[in-house]
Amino acid sequence: NAGVMQNPRHLVRRRGQEARLRCSPMKGHSHVYWYRQLPEEGLKFMVYLQKENIIDESGMPKERFSAEFPKEGPSILRIQQVVRGDSAAYFCASSLLEDYGYTFGSGTRLTVV
Amino acid sequence: DAKTTQPNSMESNEEEPVHLPCNHSTISGTDYIHWYRQLPSQGPEYVIHGLTSNVNNRMASLAIAEDRKSSTLILHRATLRDAAVYYCILRDTSTGFQKLVFGTGTRLLVSP
Repeated sequence: NAGVMQNPRHLVRRRGQEARLRCSPMKGHSHVYWYRQLPEEGLKFMVYLQKENIIDESGMPKERFSAEFPKEGPSILRIQQVVRGDSAAYFCASSLLEDYGYTFGSGTRLTVV
Repeated sequence: DAKTTQPNSMESNEEEPVHLPCNHSTISGTDYIHWYRQLPSQGPEYVIHGLTSNVNNRMASLAIAEDRKSSTLILHRATLRDAAVYYCILRDTSTGFQKLVFGTGTRLLVSP
């Protein structure tokens, strides 16, 4: 039973390019959460999704960031026109129910050059 | 979200017990106490959680004060692999979705 799978593990983008981060939740989990961790800082909540629905996006920057969790396939966090300040580790977590514990992936480390 | 207070860092020697404290004086009756840890270059992992009674699992024990204003995560025999940042989080699950809010945690250093 594979855990939460995130890919790629490392992603390098030039300023102005798009970054796509993928997250496959644990089997049977329909709740997905994205967190961002800036260097030497704590994890900050970004967005909570269920299949085909965004439940809470209160932590998402208003521009350039979007997330989806389609009926089929992984959840995608998309960052358009990346800037150096977007360099961070992005973690995805999933849970069976919304009040259960989270299982986190190993993260995608985005570096913007 | 109710706040928790943890020391920035603690040190331990290998194979000794470790007691990681957490203060949560504003805890409400429906707040669960959750502990997660984050090993270097990895995502957080669930450690343990409880409401009122002390809890044990294969990873750790959670001792909750009688007034619930504080709790202690106990690692019975620290190993080098336990070196991580430990997060104490309050989570109210009585009214639907309540996201996990991470603070700065306690960085545990384990020496051989």
